[in-house]
Amino acid sequence: GQSLEQPSEVTAVEGAIVQINCTYQTSGFYGLSWYQQHDGGAPTFLSYNGLDGLEETGRFSSFLSRSDSYGYLLLQELQMKDSASYFCAVRDGAAGNKLTFGGGTRVLVKP
Amino acid sequence: DGGITQSPKYLFRKEGQNVTLSCEQNLNHDAMYWYRQDPGQGLRLIYYSQIVNDFQKGDIAEGYSVSREKKESFPLTVTSAQKNPTAFYLCASSYSVEGITEAFFGQGTRLTVV
Repeated sequence: GQSLEQPSEVTAVEGAIVQINCTYQTSGFYGLSWYQQHDGGAPTFLSYNGLDGLEETGRFSSFLSRSDSYGYLLLQELQMKDSASYFCAVRDGAAGNKLTFGGGTRVLVKP
Repeated sequence: DGGITQSPKYLFRKEGQNVTLSCEQNLNHDAMYWYRQDPGQGLRLIYYSQIVNDFQKGDIAEGYSVSREKKESFPLTVTSAQKNPTAFYLCASSYSVEGITEAFFGQGTRLTVV
């Protein structure tokens, strides 16, 4: 089966940097994705890593190490609007493209 | 505009009743998914489908049923066998090929059993 582990909560101040780690177990790995969800809303896609290394998209970056079954999301120059839950997700190509999410990390940005 | 639509946004159900949640997409995606989210929790996979007339159980399929008669539609029925159905239900769709993993979500249906 699949499983993903990520911290439950992180608190930081505006302008700081936050790293959210994600470790995963899956049989047919098709890449690691990250999603953001504000309270009461739907998750929205942030980034995808199919190969090892760092992907940068503005203030957000995501990293993957397939040999370690590990990735992280880096949030830089934190803003109040970044207060949300962040989920890592893996797609299992050996299970009919099953898309499984982690439990989510709640990020609280303080002034 | 292309997108994925869930209806209704809020739904109230009496105990013992079945209820069906609608999910429609016009993104031409092959894959569709149903997730359940409880307060402060992650997304748990109920059912998913990669192609019309085919679907697979996710991690918490008991008490739920689905159909995929059209590419655009993937309705979820919450049956009376689901012991604790009050939750936020999210439908998603995506392309079904390796390397393209962005899933698009509907705005969700909040189901309350009264």
